[in-house]
Amino acid sequence: AQTVTQSQPEMSVQEAETVTLSCTYDTSESDYYLFWYKQPPSRQMILVIRQEAYKQQNATENRFSVNFQKAAKSFSLKISDSQLGDAAMYFCAYRSPQKYGNKLVFGAGTILRVKS
Amino acid sequence: SQTIHQWPATLVQPVGSPLSLECTVEGTSNPNLYWYRQAAGRGLQLLFYSVGIGQISSEVPQNLSASRPQDRQFILSSKKLLLSDSGFYLCAWSGTGWNTEAFFGQGTRLTVV
Repeated sequence: AQTVTQSQPEMSVQEAETVTLSCTYDTSESDYYLFWYKQPPSRQMILVIRQEAYKQQNATENRFSVNFQKAAKSFSLKISDSQLGDAAMYFCAYRSPQKYGNKLVFGAGTILRVKS
Repeated sequence: SQTIHQWPATLVQPVGSPLSLECTVEGTSNPNLYWYRQAAGRGLQLLFYSVGIGQISSEVPQNLSASRPQDRQFILSSKKLLLSDSGFYLCAWSGTGWNTEAFFGQGTRLTVV
């Protein structure tokens, strides 16, 4: 079964600095998608960034980038120039391919606090 | 454009009462549908997912069941609620292509008293 592990329950970062949130996963599948979602206090889930397993190049979306290490099954999120609006719970997610039912599994989440 | 509706937003139910949470998607066809539960300050636990009408995969043995009577309708039910069923329930949908992101409803906060 696919599992996603986020080992950091909470992280803090000073405004304008950089923070990295870690995520590891376990799977026997060779093709899959990985996502980072953000959940602010409103509890609305917002997609931050996605990574295709067959692509070696790390995904980047403005201040957000990932470090995808397929062999190590690691998928960390780096937030540069942190802003107060980045404070939220961040979830790493794994999605199985179509033939396995497009199952979408989330990690336990990391609460990110941004200090001004 | 596609939208997802989930209701009710808040629900307080006594122990032993039945439950029905509904989720509908508009603007797309044959979506993958998901039900998650989130305990306070915790992660999203996948409860059920469905790739088509009548096709339900259960992830966690529990007091809940799910049904998909129509293509874009996903219902979470219980015959008798337990205190441990309290939590925040989220419905989500994604496209049939496995590389598409999931879109979430606003969630239902269920309190069993």
